[in-house]
Amino acid sequence: GDSVTQMEGPVTLSEEAFLTINCTYTATGYPSLFWYVQYPGEGLQLLLKATKADDKGSNKGFEATYRKETTSFHLEKGSVQVSDSAVYFCALSERGGSQGNLIFGKGTKLSVKP
Amino acid sequence: EPEVTQTPSHQVTQMGQEVILRCVPISNHLYFYWYRQILGQKVEFLVSFYNNEISEKSEIFDDQFSVERPDGSNFTLKIRSTKLEDSAMYFCASTVGLAGAVEQYFGPGTRLTVT
Repeated sequence: GDSVTQMEGPVTLSEEAFLTINCTYTATGYPSLFWYVQYPGEGLQLLLKATKADDKGSNKGFEATYRKETTSFHLEKGSVQVSDSAVYFCALSERGGSQGNLIFGKGTKLSVKP
Repeated sequence: EPEVTQTPSHQVTQMGQEVILRCVPISNHLYFYWYRQILGQKVEFLVSFYNNEISEKSEIFDDQFSVERPDGSNFTLKIRSTKLEDSAMYFCASTVGLAGAVEQYFGPGTRLTVT
């Protein structure tokens, strides 16, 4: 079945460091891909998405490119801030629409130190 | 900004007891979901609900689980006879359901502890 694998955490960075969180997927069709973020004590929030190959999702300085050839959707940010400390989840939706259930990775906890 | 709410934030129950987890989705949304996350593991899909019926469910969602939309605002998950392995964070989500609107909005979760 479909699955998502993302790098194990926790990841600890200093403020202004470069961030990469790796995410790869396995899917039989053409999924939509997502990054969700969970700040402490809050629910999951959509950070960015891409619905087809070579699409780049971006939001709040974060970017991820849908790479069909490597089945990857790595999350990057050029300069992290303390406020970026959270758990990041990579996810896919096989149907590509709002009705489809999400398949998540395990989550990567990011801690950014001042 | 509209948000999904869930109550309670933490529920402790004894094995074999029934629990009901409550969610209030965003008011104009049409599709509703439950997910769970066992500590240290992946967020897993349980069930989706549309037009007052289950549209999809995972193999986790067995006969011990049920969902209901008892009125125009609440969406509930019932576990009839809880087991220790039901201990997890349970997330409710909703989406408007229009083509191209792919974002699912999540609540803050209910932490269920079965003792």
